Order: sequence, then C-alpha cells, then structure tokens
Amino acid sequence: GAVVSQHPSWVICKSGTSVKIECRSLDFQATTMFWYRQFPKQSLMLMATSNEGSKATYEQGVEKDKFLINHASLTLSTLTVTSAHPEDSSFYICSDLNRGSSYNEQFFGPGTRLTVL
Amino acid sequence: DAKTTQPPSMDCAEGRAANLPCNHSTISGNEYVYWYRQIHSQGPQYIIHGLKNNETNEMASLIITEDRKSSTLILPHATLRDTAVYYCIVRINTGNQFYFGTGTSLTVIP
Repeated sequence: GAVVSQHPSWVICKSGTSVKIECRSLDFQATTMFWYRQFPKQSLMLMATSNEGSKATYEQGVEKDKFLINHASLTLSTLTVTSAHPEDSSFYICSDLNRGSSYNEQFFGPGTRLTVL
Repeated sequence: DAKTTQPPSMDCAEGRAANLPCNHSTISGNEYVYWYRQIHSQGPQYIIHGLKNNETNEMASLIITEDRKSSTLILPHATLRDTAVYYCIVRINTGNQFYFGTGTSLTVIP
C-alpha cells in the first residue's frame, strides 16, 4: 500500500517555541492531505485539510494562526505549531488522499509525538 | 460529529474470531462503511470498506445488515498482534475527510 512518512517521529520543545512537522506522501502525488491530533486515550480529531497550492481548511475550533499548514508541493505538507504550550502536547498524525483510487482511500503516517515542556 | 456507535472495549481469545459491531443508523444511501485500526502509538491502518454487500479481504470480513444501519467487522482468527483500537467510519465514496468516533479497544488474550 501507499506510504506516508512523518518527520520527526517525536519532538520535545520548550514552551513558546515553534515546531514544524513534515508529512510526505511517498507513493503518489497528493493534492489533499489531512492533519489530525490525538490526545492520550482519545480518538483522532481532524484539525485541517491541506490543499496543494491553496490555503488549508480548518475544522471548527482549530486556530489557524496557531497551527500553520503549508502544502507547497504535491508530496509535502507541513504543520507548524507556533508558540507551543504544554496543552499542545499531543500525537499529530497526517494522512493523504489518493484521488486516483476507486474509493478515495486515505493512508496515514506513523504520527509525531510532541511534548512541550 | 461521528456518525457511528461502537462498544468501548472487547476481549477475544487468541485464535478465535473477533466480531466487532458498529451502529450507523443514520447512514445515507451514498455513504460507505470504512474500518481502520490503530495499534498503540501508530497511525491508523486501513482494514476494509463496503457499501451494502459483504466484503472480504486478506485481513477481515465486513458484514453489513440489509438495512445498512449496522455492520460487523470479523477478524477470523485473532492473534495478539490484532490488539488495537478499531474505528468504524462512514463517508461518501467521493468524500474527503474522515471523522473518527471513539472506536473499540480490542484486546486479544493468549
């Protein structure tokens, strides 16, 4: 199946700093990618839809100025957590959308664990 | 909001079939049922999907009731590596976003 990679796999940062997480679609060109956040013992929560060459679409309640998404190429989307605080500590997961498949399947990355001290 | 209801947890003996139910009573005619699973601290993994017919692949079988208001994911011979959280999601085939519900935490017991 298709492969999605994320980098880094984990990151620890100080409060107030910004952290960038990369999501790469390795098998096909993904015009659409998604970012999710998952807190411990909770389900995945969709944060935003990343569209290549245009602005991301954010879900209700997600601060677009805090979670900056850039999808500058067909294989790379980045999520930047700006001025991170301990409450932003979470597991961040991306996925890509294979529009070329018969059912728009999504493949998920391995996730990035962010810990803000 | 998630459109599915699943039991929060289930146990299954190793080697036995694991039957995971999902209720989706408000499903629309053009919405598919997808199943993903998430092993601890990993990204979700696709298992299977279907519209109205039963489906089977190398991982599992999906049984959808005739009225499509519920479905069951069957892992025919559960192994310890099948311990994971299983998510049932409904979405139209041409749709984009997946909205995850709370899922079922399956524990396979030796």
